[in-house]
Amino acid sequence: ETGVTQSPTHLIKTRGQQVTLRCSSQSGHNTVSWYQQALGQGPQFIFQYYREEENGRGNFPPRFSGLQFPNYSSELNVNALELDDSALYLCASRNSGKSYEQYFGPGTRLTVT
Amino acid sequence: GIQVEQSPPDLILQEGANSTLRCNFSDSVNNLQWFHQNPWGQLINLFYIPSGTKQNGRLSATTVATERYSLLYISSSQTTDSGVYFCAVDRDDKIIFGKGTRLHILP
Repeated sequence: ETGVTQSPTHLIKTRGQQVTLRCSSQSGHNTVSWYQQALGQGPQFIFQYYREEENGRGNFPPRFSGLQFPNYSSELNVNALELDDSALYLCASRNSGKSYEQYFGPGTRLTVT
Repeated sequence: GIQVEQSPPDLILQEGANSTLRCNFSDSVNNLQWFHQNPWGQLINLFYIPSGTKQNGRLSATTVATERYSLLYISSSQTTDSGVYFCAVDRDDKIIFGKGTRLHILP
């Protein structure tokens, strides 16, 4: 059974640019959630996707958007990057039909300069 | 929205000691999980425990949903237990994490 994977591992961008982060869900999982974790803080919920539609969102502006594909993999897109977007971005997956238990990927560390 | 509070924020213990970490939440939830975040940022599942008690080796957890709290017990601490422990709750398809307890186990 393959776990949750994320790419890239690290990324450096300049303020104002756009970035796309990718996540492959664990085999058999149909729901993907994204989180932002600033240094020294707990993860903050960005949004959740189920059956290719967003079905839950935290307090993040519209420049944070996402996609879920038919194979349940997902992308997080962030436009007009700001310095405060520098963080660890975590993806988690679960099987909504079976359990609420989530499994996390290793994360993508984004630095905005 | 729902609030999640973890205590204590920091805990320093000698190897071999026992510890209790607490998670309080302000409203009813569908789900509660405990995680350990390692130094590389990976969140490792410890317990999925919306209610009741579970044990896994030296770790155990209890959630009293009616009183809106959960406890994580670590017995006979080892240096590898060091790191940040998070609880996270799920309500209405929104997942809320606490700020974590940073645990330091000294050899």
